[in-house]
Amino acid sequence: DGGITQSPKYLFRKEGQNVTLSCEQNLNHDAMYWYRQDPGQGLRLIYYSQIVNDFQKGDIAEGYSVSREKKESFPLTVTSAQKNPTAFYLCATGTGGAEPQETQYFGPGTRLLVL
Amino acid sequence: GQNIDQPTEMTATEGAIVQINCTYQTSGFNGLFWYQQHAGEAPTFLSYNVLDGLEEKGRFSSFLSRSKGYSYLLLKELQMKDSASYLCAVRDNQAGTALIFGKGTTLSVSS
Repeated sequence: DGGITQSPKYLFRKEGQNVTLSCEQNLNHDAMYWYRQDPGQGLRLIYYSQIVNDFQKGDIAEGYSVSREKKESFPLTVTSAQKNPTAFYLCATGTGGAEPQETQYFGPGTRLLVL
Repeated sequence: GQNIDQPTEMTATEGAIVQINCTYQTSGFNGLFWYQQHAGEAPTFLSYNVLDGLEEKGRFSSFLSRSKGYSYLLLKELQMKDSASYLCAVRDNQAGTALIFGKGTTLSVSS
C-alpha cells in the first residue's frame, strides 16, 4: 500500500515538552516538506528537505527541528521553544525536480493540541 | 516578497458554476497549483498552470495570466461534495521546490 503516513493522528503536548511527529513515505520521493495549518492562515512552510542529510528552513522554522537520515522518513520535533504549537501539521512529498508541474502529495496530517 | 490573495468564503447552489480567483506576487514564478481540502483532511491536487491559458479537467478548469499575476479555478455543475476549501499555491524559484500557499477559499454548496 503506497503513500504517505503520519502518526499519530492526534497528539497532546504538555507545556514545556518536546514532541516528535512522524512522516514516512514509500513513494521513493526525494523531497519532503512540513507545513503548519492554522484556521484562516492557510499552509505555512516549516522545513523542507530535497535530499537525504540536507534540509532548509521555511518561513516559520523557529521552535521546530527536523532530521533526514533516511529517504523515507522526515520527522518533525516541536520543541518547548514553540510557544503556540496547537495546529494541524501536514507532511508532503514530491519528486524534487525543477519541472513546473512537479506537484506535492500530502499525508493525512497530525493535529497537535497543548494541554 | 511573496503574496497570494484569495477570497475567504464563497457560496453557491447545486448545479451552478463558480469561479474562485487568486492573485499573486512572486519574484521567480514557476507554476501555479490548485488544491482541494475537505475539513479535517489533507489537501488533494486539482490542477496546475505554468503557461497562460485555460487547463480543463472534467468539471474543473484553471486559468492563468502571468502578466496580470492572476489565476482562477472554475467549477461547473456544482455538487454538494464540492463544499471544501480551495487552496491556491505558487512555486517560486527562490523557495526551491516548496509551494507558497494562499489562505484558501471556503466554498459552501447548498441545495
